[in-house]
Amino acid sequence: AQSVSQHNHHVILSEAASLELGCNYSYGGTVNLFWYVQYPGQHLQLLLKYFSGDPLVKGIKGFEAEFIKSKFSFNLRKPSVQWSDTAEYFCAVTPTGGGNKLTFGTGTQLKVEL
Amino acid sequence: ETGVTQTPRHLVMGMTNKKSLKCEQHLGHNAMYWYKQSAKKPLELMFVYSLEERVENNSVPSRFSPECPNSSHLFLHLHTLQPEDSALYLCASSQDAGGAYNEQFFGPGTRLTVL
Repeated sequence: AQSVSQHNHHVILSEAASLELGCNYSYGGTVNLFWYVQYPGQHLQLLLKYFSGDPLVKGIKGFEAEFIKSKFSFNLRKPSVQWSDTAEYFCAVTPTGGGNKLTFGTGTQLKVEL
Repeated sequence: ETGVTQTPRHLVMGMTNKKSLKCEQHLGHNAMYWYKQSAKKPLELMFVYSLEERVENNSVPSRFSPECPNSSHLFLHLHTLQPEDSALYLCASSQDAGGAYNEQFFGPGTRLTVL
C-alpha cells in the first residue's frame, strides 16, 4: 500500500517569502500526485496534479510542484506567498491504474504573516 | 462552492444515538466517497461507491453504515459511536471510481462530536 509523508506540519512565513512544502511518497509503481488546499472554513480543493509528462506542473494561484521520481518527491513551491495563502495543504497520491483511491499526507498548516 | 453539499455541518451525539450524515452532489458524477479527517492524522478513505454500488470498504467498523440510493446521494448512518469517532467527515465525488485521472470534488464536511 502507498503512503505519503509531509514533514513540515506547521510553517510560518512573512508575505513575499518563498515557499516550499515537502511531500514524499512510498509506492513501488507509477503514481498520480496531487496537492489539495483547505482555506480556513472552506472545503478541500485541488491545487494541482501530476499524471505524466513534464515533471514541473503549474497550478492555480501561482503554485507549482516538481515530481522527482528518483526521490519519490512532489514538493510544492511558490516564489512569493501572500497572506491569503494561509491554509492547510495536503499532498495525495493514487496508483496509476489503481482506481481513484487517494492516500493523503497529514497536511501542512501554513500561516502567512503580514 | 464545489457542487457537493453536506448536511448537517455540525453534529453532536451521544454514544447511544443513531444519526445520519447526508451528502449530495450536483455534478453528474458516478462515484462518491466518504473520508474521515481526524486531528493530526491523514484523511482516511472510508467507503467508495460507483454507480450506487459499494466498491471499497477500508476496514471501517460496522457502527458506520453507508447507503447510496442513487448516484447523487450518499448517506453515512451512525450507530453507537465512540468518542474517538469524533472527527470531520468529508464527502467527495468524481466522474467515476475506476480512473485515477478523475479529480475528486469535496464537500465542506460534517464536524461530528461524540459525547
